[in-house]
Parts: sequence; structure tokens; C-alpha cells
Amino acid sequence: NAGVTQTPKFRILKIGQSMTLQCTQDMNHNYMYWYRQDPGMGLKLIYYSVGAGITDKGEVPNGYNVSRSTTEDFPLRLELAAPSQTSVYFCASSYYGASLEANYGYTFGSGTRLTVV
Amino acid sequence: AQKITQTQPGMFVQEKEAVTLDCTYDTSDQSYGLFWYKQPSSGEMIFLIYQGSYDEQNATEGRYSLNFQKARKSANLVISASQLGDSAMYFCAMRGGGGGADGLTFGKGTHLIIQP
Repeated sequence: NAGVTQTPKFRILKIGQSMTLQCTQDMNHNYMYWYRQDPGMGLKLIYYSVGAGITDKGEVPNGYNVSRSTTEDFPLRLELAAPSQTSVYFCASSYYGASLEANYGYTFGSGTRLTVV
Repeated sequence: AQKITQTQPGMFVQEKEAVTLDCTYDTSDQSYGLFWYKQPSSGEMIFLIYQGSYDEQNATEGRYSLNFQKARKSANLVISASQLGDSAMYFCAMRGGGGGADGLTFGKGTHLIIQP
């Protein structure tokens, strides 16, 4: 049971380059998320998706784009990389339920450490 | 909008002592969920414990318990009999109000160091 798989684990980009961070989950979760974690800080939401074909902005979406063509995949695209995008990126997924009370759980990938120089 | 506040940037605790990590939250939602995660130096996010806003009893998971005081909007994590392996960053988080679709709001974390 792979859970949430992120690739690559590490990447160094030059300013102005572009790249795609891959995220795949095999749990048939309908909700997927991208977070970034800056040094010494908590995670901040970049984008999220409630299902294939539906995405929405989170707290810090500038400089990023996402797509969700399948339930399993939720890639994050960085266009024109900037030093401010140096961070650790986490993909996560969760199952939708009717109750806000229940713990449906969030499964996190192992993260991608990105450095922009 | 939700907000999570963790006021302890770092803590040093002697091994085998109990430790309480503070978390206060702010939300206008009547129904919500609170989470604690552990992040060791290896970087992964490890789920520890969950508390639903209507749960009348405090959540417990092994050595972890959550001291939930709804009126004070606090959800402190208690680790009993701390171990060296408990040294890590600890994050308090709340489920978003958009039916849970918009993910978790995290605090800035507490860096816990267990000393032998």
C-alpha cells in the first residue's frame, strides 16, 4: 500500500526555470492538497482539489498551478522559479465524508525539498 | 478563517517526564476537527491524535492525550513518560471550515527536545 507518493524527493532549480512536482495516491481519496513548509514554520496550503477536474486556491497560490485530470494524480507546476519558492512541498490526500466531526484522516507524502538558486 | 497558535517555539524536557504542548485555536465554525502531527528530523508528517469538536471525552492514543477545553478554545497535547524518540517538531492543526475540502490550517509548531 503506497499511500501518497511524491517525486522527486530533492531538486535544485535555477531562477526562471520551471518544473512539475508529481503526486499520486492509490487510496481513491477524492480530496488532494499541496502544502509548502518554509524553515521553522508550519505548513501552508497552496492549492487543493475536491475531485478530478476541480481545483481551487489555498492561502499561498501565487507562482504555482495545478491540474487534476484523474482521481489519483495531482501535479504542482512551478513556472519561473524564484528564490522565495525554496521550501519543502508536501502533497496530501483525504477521504470526503458528510460529517465534519469524523476523523477521515489526511495522508501525507514524504515531501519534496526544492531549492531555487 | 481559522487560526492556530502555538506559543512554545521550543521545549526541553527530561526523559520520562510528562510534557504538555500548548495549542489554541480560533474559528467561527460550530463543527470542526483538531489534529496533532509529529515531524521528526527526517521530515515526514506523522499523525498522532484527533479530537472532534463535539467529542465529550478527551482523545487518547497510547502515550498521547489531547486536553480539549472547548470554551477556552485550547487543544493541548500531553505526552506521558517522554522518550528520546519523542524529540521532534509538533504541529497542531485544524480542519478547514469548507466541509473539510480546504484542508488543514497549521500552527507554527513546537520543537521538543527530550534530554537523557
